[in-house]
Amino acid sequence: SQQGEEDPQALSIQEGENATMNCSYKTSINNLQWYRQNSGRGLVHLILIRSNEREKHSGRLRVTLDTSKKSSSLLITASRAADTASYFCATALNQAGTALIFGKGTTLSVSS
Amino acid sequence: GAVVSQHPSRVICKSGTSVKIECRSLDFQATTMFWYRQFPKQSLMLMATSNEGSKATYEQGVEKDKFLINHASLTLSTLTVTSAHPEDSSFYICSARTSGNLSWEQYFGPGTRLTVT
Repeated sequence: SQQGEEDPQALSIQEGENATMNCSYKTSINNLQWYRQNSGRGLVHLILIRSNEREKHSGRLRVTLDTSKKSSSLLITASRAADTASYFCATALNQAGTALIFGKGTTLSVSS
Repeated sequence: GAVVSQHPSRVICKSGTSVKIECRSLDFQATTMFWYRQFPKQSLMLMATSNEGSKATYEQGVEKDKFLINHASLTLSTLTVTSAHPEDSSFYICSARTSGNLSWEQYFGPGTRLTVT
């Protein structure tokens, strides 16, 4: 089953622009994570935000979490061609030991 | 630390044969391992959860007799796709979790590309 919906499904921007991806989920969570996946490759963990946090930064990444709306956003600032990839949000439920449930993902294309 | 490996990284097999994929936690003990499947241009779908020494729990719609999961040790889980068919062609990704304070951390393997001809 899938927990989250991301939008947009696809996003094309120019280098230097900011990219914003949104994720919505359905049930209460312990934390929400964002992953990147280059075409045909494995997952790269980007950032984890806990349910009691509202915003988190890591380098050019900014993640927000609104538990009242059950939504999160990932902002990539000053994008680069190397940021071209698929981005997934994944939610961890409150029950420890359960699997991460992934959203449908956003495919980001950054052209130079 | 917290490295998960998968073997093989890609495999091609003929329809009707069985294929085994290994998932290993290299530097930690994984009490729980998860298997995901990802079709082209789609997201990861959870197939099953396996706990060391017990039977795997399968998600709805996943055939347990077709996708055999064995988690015989704290560092190894295997997924065997039995009587594979072309529609089983997919990217299979495992992940592992410890039982300690970092139980929210889930570490992913690099994936196995299965092509059934």
